[in-house]
Amino acid sequence: DVVLTQSPLSLPVTLGQPASISCRSSQSLVHSDGNTYLNWFQQRPGQSPRRLIYKVSNRDSGVPDRFSGSESGTDFTLKISRVEAEDVGVYYCMQGTHWPRTFGQGTKVEIK
Amino acid sequence: EVQLVESGGGVVQPGRSLRLSCTTSGFTFGDYAMSWVRQAPGKGLEWVGFIRSKAYGGTTDYAASVKGRFTISRDDSKSIAYLQMDSLKTEDTAVYYCIKEGFKDWGQGTLVTVSS
Repeated sequence: DVVLTQSPLSLPVTLGQPASISCRSSQSLVHSDGNTYLNWFQQRPGQSPRRLIYKVSNRDSGVPDRFSGSESGTDFTLKISRVEAEDVGVYYCMQGTHWPRTFGQGTKVEIK
Repeated sequence: EVQLVESGGGVVQPGRSLRLSCTTSGFTFGDYAMSWVRQAPGKGLEWVGFIRSKAYGGTTDYAASVKGRFTISRDDSKSIAYLQMDSLKTEDTAVYYCIKEGFKDWGQGTLVTVSS
């Protein structure tokens, strides 16, 4: 199975400052169709997960442009350019290239 | 607007069965694959399984942790996906979410507690 390793697992941030979450894959996530199916999700306290980013860097509709996704080989990064109070929650990466689908352990973002 | 509503959760004893339903609206259900994901209390997300649309054979895939015990099915005429859970274990205690193909649209989840 593909193992996704997120870091850090806990991320205290100051309002207005940037934040970055890493997701490292144990193998390539390039599908045979040429796409890389790496998603990012946000789960606010008490809510269902919400997809923020799909196929590495595509932002879902309604997602603020302060969220961005990037990749370097098997390393994927979610960046928040300026953290706002509503960004508090747990962030997960998930790969949709290989079976079984797998998630990272989650990164808890909190305000300092 | 896409809506997914899970139901059927509750408290069940180890070894017993439970069937969850995911009632959908707002899209042509039969055209899409559906997944189930669970989240144990205070823990992360775990993919449970997946059913393809009939156009792709309606076949299923499961996580190793539930294979042979859980069965996903679908009723396209009712726009409902099901998760049949047999031989339940205490470690199956979790909130169960159903998700439309692509993982953009999630239900609100239903809690399953396996306890004697």
